[in-house]
Amino acid sequence: DAKTTQPTSMDCAEGRAANLPCNHSTISGNEYVYWYRQIHSQGPQYIIHGLKNNETNEMASLIITEDRKSSTLILPHATLRDTAVYYCIANSGYALNFGKGTSLLVTP
Amino acid sequence: DTGVSQDPRHKITKRGQNVTFRCDPISEHNRLYWYRQTLGQGPEFLTYFQNEAQLEKSRLLSDRFSAERPKGSFSTLEIQRTEQGDSAMYLCASSPSFHANNEQFFGPGTRLTVL
Repeated sequence: DAKTTQPTSMDCAEGRAANLPCNHSTISGNEYVYWYRQIHSQGPQYIIHGLKNNETNEMASLIITEDRKSSTLILPHATLRDTAVYYCIANSGYALNFGKGTSLLVTP
Repeated sequence: DTGVSQDPRHKITKRGQNVTFRCDPISEHNRLYWYRQTLGQGPEFLTYFQNEAQLEKSRLLSDRFSAERPKGSFSTLEIQRTEQGDSAMYLCASSPSFHANNEQFFGPGTRLTVL
């Protein structure tokens, strides 16, 4: 799997959009970009994934650059319950390589 | 609750003892995964089953670690002769094989403390 680089931590005010960046400059053509999050003391939770096109679901939007070397996860209206560690993963197989992720703190 | 369940949630053991953890995947998920997570790190992949077949075990951390899924349903992860460095959260995940994507559903984990 391609290595991903994420900021260690970010803050976001409640109700505002949280934009979490991820760099995956060595991603190969068959690797998807996955985002998972892990709330304290819980198992990771799948958020969204994409290959080339931007994706949106009920939780978030995923914007992938045209050259696929980076992506941004967008939580449109962050709530306190979105405080978690967010992992960006470039993956083509069964083993997810989580890295250290970005610790997002949503503040009142 | 029909999610992935793990038992026990917490285990404290003395160095040198053997421990076994159980994972019950979501019903009809035929793929099952084990991960380990140490403090401040993301989960680290250990092994993977498709039904009862263990298709990847090269990333098990040492020969003290073994996993089984005898009937293709629940799975067990055993650590023999535990060491203090084995202290971690052990996570289980499952997924249905018909999914084209790799969305894995994780359980709450078993936290192991080796004294």
